[in-house]
Amino acid sequence: GDSVTQMEGPVTLSEEAFLTINCTYTATGYPSLFWYVQYPGEGLQLLLKATKADDKGSNKGFEATYRKETTSFHLEKGSVQVSDSAVYFCAFCMDSNYQLIWGAGTKLIIKP
Amino acid sequence: NAGVTQTPKFQVLKTGQSMTLQCAQDMNHEYMSWYRQDPGMGLRLIHYSVGAGITDQGEVPNGYNVSRSTTEDFPLRLLSAAPSQTSVYFCASSPTTLGDTQYFGPGTRLTVL
Repeated sequence: GDSVTQMEGPVTLSEEAFLTINCTYTATGYPSLFWYVQYPGEGLQLLLKATKADDKGSNKGFEATYRKETTSFHLEKGSVQVSDSAVYFCAFCMDSNYQLIWGAGTKLIIKP
Repeated sequence: NAGVTQTPKFQVLKTGQSMTLQCAQDMNHEYMSWYRQDPGMGLRLIHYSVGAGITDQGEVPNGYNVSRSTTEDFPLRLLSAAPSQTSVYFCASSPTTLGDTQYFGPGTRLTVL
């Protein structure tokens, strides 16, 4: 069935390090892809999204490219900050009328 | 701007008790959803609504009821709480469809003893 696989956390990095959080999906067809972020004690909020192959979503220095060939949507940031410490969720939906399919989340810890 | 609000933030129940989790949004969104978040798992959809008076089941609806009498409010009722319902519950709203950008409330952490 449809599913999302994210790299397990926690991921611990030092400030200014390069970040990659892997996300791959299993789906029939070409879904819309999302990254949501959950800061401590808060609800989730949309970080970025891409709706078709080769699209690049970007926000707050984060980027992710929709790779149809590898069914992936890896999240990257060139230089992380302590304030980026959060849980990151990858998700997709096959059709705008269908529900989102969520990954398990990856906890990111940035040390000063 | 309030966005999506949820009450209470924390709740402890005994097995068999019932309660209602409140959710309200002030963005005039048609779509509203309830999710539960469990450790090591992605969010799972409990129930959703596509507008006032219209609700439907999601992936894990058993043990929960919802209603949508107004555009703003979407309460979630636990009929007879069970330890398996210990979780963090999120309410979300969306301006257009389920698959569009979701706006989440801060969550309710529920413990059932």
